[in-house]
Amino acid sequence: GENVEQHPSTLSVQEGDSAVIKCTYSDSASNYFPWYKQELGKRPQLIIDIRSNVGEKKDQRIAVTLNKTAKHFSLHITETQPEDSAVYFCAAHPDSNYQLIWGAGTKLIIKP
Amino acid sequence: EAQVTQNPRYLITVTGKKLTVTCSQNMNHEYMSWYRQDPGLGLRQIYYSMNVEVTDKGDVPEGYKVSRKEKRNFPLILESPSPNQTSLYFCASSPARLNTEAFFGQGTRLTVV
Repeated sequence: GENVEQHPSTLSVQEGDSAVIKCTYSDSASNYFPWYKQELGKRPQLIIDIRSNVGEKKDQRIAVTLNKTAKHFSLHITETQPEDSAVYFCAAHPDSNYQLIWGAGTKLIIKP
Repeated sequence: EAQVTQNPRYLITVTGKKLTVTCSQNMNHEYMSWYRQDPGLGLRQIYYSMNVEVTDKGDVPEGYKVSRKEKRNFPLILESPSPNQTSLYFCASSPARLNTEAFFGQGTRLTVV
């Protein structure tokens, strides 16, 4: 079955700098890769996603890139702000069912 | 407002006392699931349901039961809770289509003493 690994587990960056979180997946049939943000004490919420027929997707300060050959995808946050502090989860969606396979999460800390 | 509602938000109980955490969604979603979230372990799926009367085990189903008698409701049942089930629980729902967003409930923080 699908397996998703996420790195790093904790990332601390200076406010204004960029942050990059990486995930690798094992099932080459996976075709949908969402990213969720979970603020402290709140529920996970979708922030951006990418499908396997696209290499990159941007939404203001966040972007996701996908390398199907290498089976990895990354979340990029530019010009980080204090409100970006949260836990970020990546996930992969195998083509065969409706389950999402989750990474273990990355705690992003934005230092003032 | 489209939402997934869990109750209760917080629960402290004793070992062995049966409990139910309710989950209800108003988006007519077919797919519903339960996760537990523990530090460093991310979101682990407990059970999921593809539609009414269709449920299946996730990655960590031991000690839990679910039912799906109505499309909108997907309760999580702990018949005999144990301290290792102390965790943060999330219910989620999504349409039965591939590549769609999952909507999460507010979470239930359960402590078993």
